[in-house]
Amino acid sequence: QQPVQSPQAVILREGEDAVINCSSSKALYSVHWYRQKHGEAPVFLMILLKGGEQKGHEKISASFNEKKQQSSLYLTASQLSYSGTYFCGTSYNFNKFYFGSGTKLNVKP
Amino acid sequence: DAGITQSPRHKVTETGTPVTLRCHQTENHRYMYWYRQDPGHGLRLIHYSYGVKDTDKGEVSDGYSVSRSKTEDFLLTLESATSSQTSVYFCAIRRGQMNTEAFFGQGTRLTVV
Repeated sequence: QQPVQSPQAVILREGEDAVINCSSSKALYSVHWYRQKHGEAPVFLMILLKGGEQKGHEKISASFNEKKQQSSLYLTASQLSYSGTYFCGTSYNFNKFYFGSGTKLNVKP
Repeated sequence: DAGITQSPRHKVTETGTPVTLRCHQTENHRYMYWYRQDPGHGLRLIHYSYGVKDTDKGEVSDGYSVSRSKTEDFLLTLESATSSQTSVYFCAIRRGQMNTEAFFGQGTRLTVV
């Protein structure tokens, strides 16, 4: 039931770009993105809704392809503070809420 | 910050003993979730609640039970702890369904020896 994320891990230099993908075998109605710093709880970044509306972060963007049941998170001009593990999350029904397996991002100076 | 606290934050217990983790919220949010986080598996849903006394299973519910007798509290019980339940447990809350974000507690690190 978990969405599938790729890649599992990414290493970047400051200023480089990264794309994290999230795909589902079931229809997606909305997709959430969260970031977790080491030893901390996940924190909400943004939500993408069916129909294209996007709410959330200033410097990180995302797309949502309903037909392909996929979402992608775009981190441009990476900063050291972007390091962490990124999770996508979704509801397949109205109540349950699932997260993907995570993508570990390491931004180096 | 959302008012959500987990207790205890750390616990070491022996195999075969019962363990209860508590999640307390002050936001009056309807939905509460328990996840476990293990390397390579991300956050896996154990149980969730959509109201007082309304709970249901997630994808990894075997060996766990939950209760929600008040809006603010969601308890996760390991009936007889096993080493495979060593993990970090996160509670999360959401106000509504599709379009509302989840807020997480700080996590409970449980070690079963």
